[in-house]
Amino acid sequence: EPEVTQTPSHQVTQMGQEVILRCVPISNHLYFYWYRQILGQKVEFLVSFYNNEISEKSEIFDDQFSVERPDGSNFTLKIRSTKLEDSAMYFCASRSWVTFPSEQYFGPGTRLTVT
Amino acid sequence: ELKVEQNPLFLSMQEGKNYTIYCNYSTTSDRLYWYRQDPGKSLESLFVLLSNGAVKQEGRLMASLDTKARLSTLHITAAVHDLSATYFCAVDDHYGGSQGNLIFGKGTKLSVKP
Repeated sequence: EPEVTQTPSHQVTQMGQEVILRCVPISNHLYFYWYRQILGQKVEFLVSFYNNEISEKSEIFDDQFSVERPDGSNFTLKIRSTKLEDSAMYFCASRSWVTFPSEQYFGPGTRLTVT
Repeated sequence: ELKVEQNPLFLSMQEGKNYTIYCNYSTTSDRLYWYRQDPGKSLESLFVLLSNGAVKQEGRLMASLDTKARLSTLHITAAVHDLSATYFCAVDDHYGGSQGNLIFGKGTKLSVKP
C-alpha cells in the first residue's frame, strides 16, 4: 500500500541553524501539507501546497519557514534559523484531491530537537 | 475561524466498559476524521465521516457525525487494553475556503486498565 515517507526520523540541531525536513508524498497525490505537534499537544496545521505553490499557511508559518517541491517526488520544509520553540514532531501529509471522497495520509513524522 | 473541541481530554477506563468521546466544532463542515496516535508515533486514520448522519464502525469503535449539531462522537464498546492511545478528531475547513487543511482537537488520551 502506498505511504508517505519522511526523513530523517529524528533531527537534532543547534539554535540558529537551518534544517530541512524531507517528505515523499504518495505518488498520485496533488495536495501536500505540513503539520507540527509540540510534545503532548495537539496537531497544528502549518502550510498547504498545490500546483507548486503555497495554497494556505497558518500564523505559525512565518518567514523562517519555507516549503519546496524541488523535483517530482520530494516535498521539503525548511526552517532557516531554528528556535528552541521549533522543537516538535513535524508531519507531512498528502491527499489526491479535495473533492469527495478525500482523505489525508500522514507520514511517520520527523522529531526535531533544537538545543 | 474553525475551532474544534474534544472532551474529555483524559479518560481512564476499565476493560469491558463503554464510553463516548465527543468532538464539537464551531463552523460548518461535513468532513470529519478520527485518528489514533500511539506514543511517539504518527497518526493512524480510523474513520472518515463525510455526511450528516454518517455512522462507521470498526471493531469496538463506532463514530458518528451530526453536521447540524456540529458534533461527532467516538463510542468505545467493551474496551480492551489495546485501545489505549490518544484519539484526535479533525475537521476539514473546506467551507472556510481552505484547500482541505485539517483543524485538530486537543486529543483524548485513553487509558484502559484491567
